[in-house]
Amino acid sequence: SAVISQKPSRDICQRGTSLTIQCQVDSQVTMMFWYRQQPGQSLTLIATANQGSEATYESGFVIDKFPISRPNLTFSTLTVSNMSPEDSSIYLCSVEDAGPRGYTFGSGTRLTVV
Amino acid sequence: AQSVTQPDIHITVSEGASLELRCNYSYGATPYLFWYVQSPGQGLQLLLKYFSGDTLVQGIKGFEAEFKRSQSSFNLRKPSVHWSDAAEYFCAVGARAAGNKLTFGGGTRVLVKP
Repeated sequence: SAVISQKPSRDICQRGTSLTIQCQVDSQVTMMFWYRQQPGQSLTLIATANQGSEATYESGFVIDKFPISRPNLTFSTLTVSNMSPEDSSIYLCSVEDAGPRGYTFGSGTRLTVV
Repeated sequence: AQSVTQPDIHITVSEGASLELRCNYSYGATPYLFWYVQSPGQGLQLLLKYFSGDTLVQGIKGFEAEFKRSQSSFNLRKPSVHWSDAAEYFCAVGARAAGNKLTFGGGTRVLVKP
């Protein structure tokens, strides 16, 4: 399975500011996924990021709020822009493993907006 | 669109007792099915997965799950629960036709009594 390094692990941010979350994978992967887990809730897919193309956003998520970069096959960033307390969540990146079907997740970024 | 339902939000079980977590999915074809565990403050760990073949799947930590196409279910079981099994469990469904995106159920929180 792939190994994902996700940073930062947690942060406390002021409303109105932006935070960029980084995910580094130890192998080349075609697709990377970004999820949000609101307090006490399940995971919701924000977007799918393919290298060399624009990210594909799920219903309810927009690029202006969650811009994503995918400069190469091992790295991606998610920015949470103009934050409000409602953005307080855990954000996770995920990749599809190259071997038998499976998905590996980063350890998550716990974001608190005050 | 694919969907996943975990009917039980909370389950309390005594240590040493058996555990069964329910998962029902909705998808037109045979999906990929997963069970993940999330311990407090931790990321997601894959317990097991099903793609095809034998409908009884063995996973890590003594867990197993059975795919029943007729019931659109993928229930997770463990014969004897340990205190360390206290965590949140998520069932997820994915499909190549859906762009390999994972859809998660709402999760079941397992509490283990001594």
